[in-house]
Amino acid sequence: DVKVTQSSRYLVKRTGEKVFLECVQDMDHENMFWYRQDPGLGLRLIYFSYDVKMKEKGDIPEGYSVSREKKERFSLILESASTNQTSMYLCASSLGGGITDTQYFGPGTRLTVL
Amino acid sequence: EDKVVQSPLSLVVHEGDTVTLNCSYEVTNFRSLLWYKQEKKAPTFLFMLTSSGIEKKSGRLSSILDKKELFSILNITATQTGDSAIYLCVAFTSGTYKYIFGTGTRLKVLA
Repeated sequence: DVKVTQSSRYLVKRTGEKVFLECVQDMDHENMFWYRQDPGLGLRLIYFSYDVKMKEKGDIPEGYSVSREKKERFSLILESASTNQTSMYLCASSLGGGITDTQYFGPGTRLTVL
Repeated sequence: EDKVVQSPLSLVVHEGDTVTLNCSYEVTNFRSLLWYKQEKKAPTFLFMLTSSGIEKKSGRLSSILDKKELFSILNITATQTGDSAIYLCVAFTSGTYKYIFGTGTRLKVLA
């Protein structure tokens, strides 16, 4: 079974703090993704990575950065957290290479910024 | 602009009912359509559809894709309270390798 894990299920931070969200997958997947999910807006792509050290901006990258130093690990960084970044953050991975399009999701991190 | 629209937005049914969830899409370089079920945690994969008219089934769930009319449906027969969840429809595009998510259909099944 593909397993995608995220470092925290719930996180509470203060405005201006630097926040790290970490995602690890154990199936040697090429592609990894960070989404945020908000009521009425669905899942929105923040960043994705198709290889180590490679990253692409998604639809809403402002206020976020990412790091992929190892294939299995994809980190999302909020340089200076703001209240409008309170959300559910979901990490996903997919095999890539045109073999299958299925994404596998982590359990999510519910971040509250006070 | 690529988009995926799901309907209805929410649905309340009783156990034993049959439900049909709809998904229409307008995306360039369409490659596949995926359905996910999301309870209070991560979305879990249900189906991936790439060909028109071929029904995929898993237990009480089934899904079909119409690439001419650009839509897909997800059917759930003999619903159970455990089917209560948000159902997400996602279009995958080959050009930009992007996943385009619908906002989901929230299904509640009452005992």
